[in-house]
Amino acid sequence: EIVLTQSPGTLSLSPGERATLSCRASQSVSSSYLAWYQQKPGQAPRLLIYGASTRATGTPDRFSGSGSGTDFTLTISRLEPEDFAVYHCQQYGSSLYTFGQGTKLEIK
Amino acid sequence: EVQLVESGGGLIQPGGSLRLSCTASEFTVSDNYMSWVRQAPGKGLEWVSLIYRGGITYYADSVKGRFTISRDNSKNTVYLQMNSLRAADSAVYYCARDLGSPRDFWGQGTLVTVSS
Repeated sequence: EIVLTQSPGTLSLSPGERATLSCRASQSVSSSYLAWYQQKPGQAPRLLIYGASTRATGTPDRFSGSGSGTDFTLTISRLEPEDFAVYHCQQYGSSLYTFGQGTKLEIK
Repeated sequence: EVQLVESGGGLIQPGGSLRLSCTASEFTVSDNYMSWVRQAPGKGLEWVSLIYRGGITYYADSVKGRFTISRDNSKNTVYLQMNSLRAADSAVYYCARDLGSPRDFWGQGTLVTVSS
């Protein structure tokens, strides 16, 4: 199975700052089948990005995804108060899907 | 309105069995690939199982041989039969449609607690 490692585990930033979240795969992710999810307490995850860089419907354009192969990045250009949450990456390039362990984005 | 409603969670003793249900509204489960994803308290997401349109199924190594995913097209429902349950299986179990695609959609989850 493909192991996804997210870093950092926790990211402390202030509103208005730029956030960069990393997701590294143990082997190449086929066809950039990499997604990013946002999850807030008590809620189901919400898809932000799929195909490594395509924003899902309703995702603000301050969110952008990039990368290929084994290294992927989620960037939030200017943090809004509602962006503080946990972010998960997920690969679906093999039939055995996997998630990263998550990055908690907290207010500094 | 598209909906996924999970049910069947609860408290179960180690070694016991439980069947989770996921009933869909406003779309047909057999036209999509359906997954179960779980999240232990305070932990990250763990993909559990997947059933493709054609009925092919896949499982995470942690549940292979103990869990079975299936669907009943007449009831528009996906199931997760969980046997030989362990404390480590305690989690909120989410049902999801077409993970990682523009049609990605999740239910609100059902809590499974394995404890004596």
